[in-house]
Amino acid sequence: EAGVAQSPRYKIIEKRQSVAFWCNPISGHATLYWYQQILGQGPKLLIQFQNNGVVDDSQLPKDRFSAERLKGVDSTLKIQPAKLEDSAVYLCASRRTSGGQETQYFGPGTRLLVL
Amino acid sequence: AQRVTQPEKLLSVFKGAPVELKCNYSYSGSPELFWYVQYSRQRLQLLLRHISRESIKGFTADLNKGETSFHLKKPFAQEEDSAMYYCALSGRGYQKVTFGTGTKLQVIP
Repeated sequence: EAGVAQSPRYKIIEKRQSVAFWCNPISGHATLYWYQQILGQGPKLLIQFQNNGVVDDSQLPKDRFSAERLKGVDSTLKIQPAKLEDSAVYLCASRRTSGGQETQYFGPGTRLLVL
Repeated sequence: AQRVTQPEKLLSVFKGAPVELKCNYSYSGSPELFWYVQYSRQRLQLLLRHISRESIKGFTADLNKGETSFHLKKPFAQEEDSAMYYCALSGRGYQKVTFGTGTKLQVIP
C-alpha cells in the first residue's frame, strides 16, 4: 500500500509571495488532515476534511491560508501572501474513516522557508 | 481548551536503563491519548494509544485520569529507541488532534 504523498518536499520563497502544497492520501482514506509544524514544536492541526467537506478549520489563518479537497481525494494547501512566521514543515495525514480506532498516516512533509 | 504538555525537550539515558517520557494533558471530557514517534529521516508514526492497552517495541503507557497523565515507559532502553516522541490527544474518533511539543530521547551506548 502506497503511503501519503506530498509535494514539493522543499520550497523557498520570499515574504508576500504565494505558495501551494499538494497531498495525495492513501487510496480509500476519507479523512485528510493538514498540520503545520514549526521548528521545536509539535504538529498543529490546520484543517481536517471528511471526503471533500471541512470538518474543522478552527486553527486555519483564513486571511492567508486556504485549502481544498476537490473530489474528496487529493488536497492542496495555499498560503497567500506568505509571512516569515509561516516557515515550517507542512504535514499531510490521512485516515480511512472519520470515527473508529484506525490511526492516521503521515506524509513526509513539505519544508517551507520564507525569506 | 485542550492542551498537551511534555516538560522535557531532551531525555538522555544509557542503554539498558529505564525510560519514562512524561505527558500531561488538559481536556474537558474523555480524550483519546496517543504516543507518536519520529525516527531520524522517517515519517511521524503512531507508537501506541491508550485504548489499545498494548505494548509496542517494549513501550507501555497508562492513562491516569486523576493526574491527567499519559507517561510513556520502557524498562530497558535500546539504542534504536533514539527518536523524537510526541504525546497527542483527540476527541472521540480523532477529532481535533492536539500534539505536545515533543521529547527527544537519546539512548547512549
